Amino acid sequence: NAGVMQNPRHLVRRRGQEARLRCSPMKGHSHVYWYRQLPEEGLKFMVYLQKENIIDESGMPKERFSAEFPKEGPSILRIQQVVRGDSAAYFCASSLDIDSPLHFGNGTRLTVT
Amino acid sequence: DQQVKQNSPSLSVQEGRISILNCDYTNSMFDYFLWYKKYPAEGPTFLISISSIKDKNEDGRFTVFLNKSAKHLSLHIVPSQPGDSAVYFCAASDRGGSNYKLTFGKGTLLTVNP
Repeated sequence: NAGVMQNPRHLVRRRGQEARLRCSPMKGHSHVYWYRQLPEEGLKFMVYLQKENIIDESGMPKERFSAEFPKEGPSILRIQQVVRGDSAAYFCASSLDIDSPLHFGNGTRLTVT
Repeated sequence: DQQVKQNSPSLSVQEGRISILNCDYTNSMFDYFLWYKKYPAEGPTFLISISSIKDKNEDGRFTVFLNKSAKHLSLHIVPSQPGDSAVYFCAASDRGGSNYKLTFGKGTLLTVNP
């Protein structure tokens, strides 16, 4: 029973490029969440999605960041025109329902040069 | 403004002894608390949780205590094992058990020495 799968594990982008991070939830899970961990910090909530719907994006930066969870395929976190401050570990989590514990993936470490 | 604080960045314990990890919070609206464990290069793994209507929850070697008046919770691991060496994150939610929008502390690195 595969866990939450994130790819790539490591992503290097130059300033101004786009970064696309993918997340496949655990089998049977339809709730997906994205968190970001800056260096020396705890994880911070970004966005909560269900299939084809953004439920809560209150933690997303207002510009350059977007997320989707299409009917088919993985959830995508997209960062346009990346800046050095976007360098962080991005974790995706999924859950069976809104009251269940979150299961996290191993993260994507984004480095912006 | 840190709403969840883990004031000890690290803790070292001897195998077989008790490990006590502490967490303080400032937001009185938090009503659900969780502990996650994280190994290097992996995602956090859920350990144990507690609702604000309880003051203790136990699961095997892990026990979480909640003191609402002090806005303080702690995780006890007994007996500690070398495999418990990891970063432990305290997290809180104000969603009445819908724990998706978690506020995490910065973590405490626990090292259990054989």
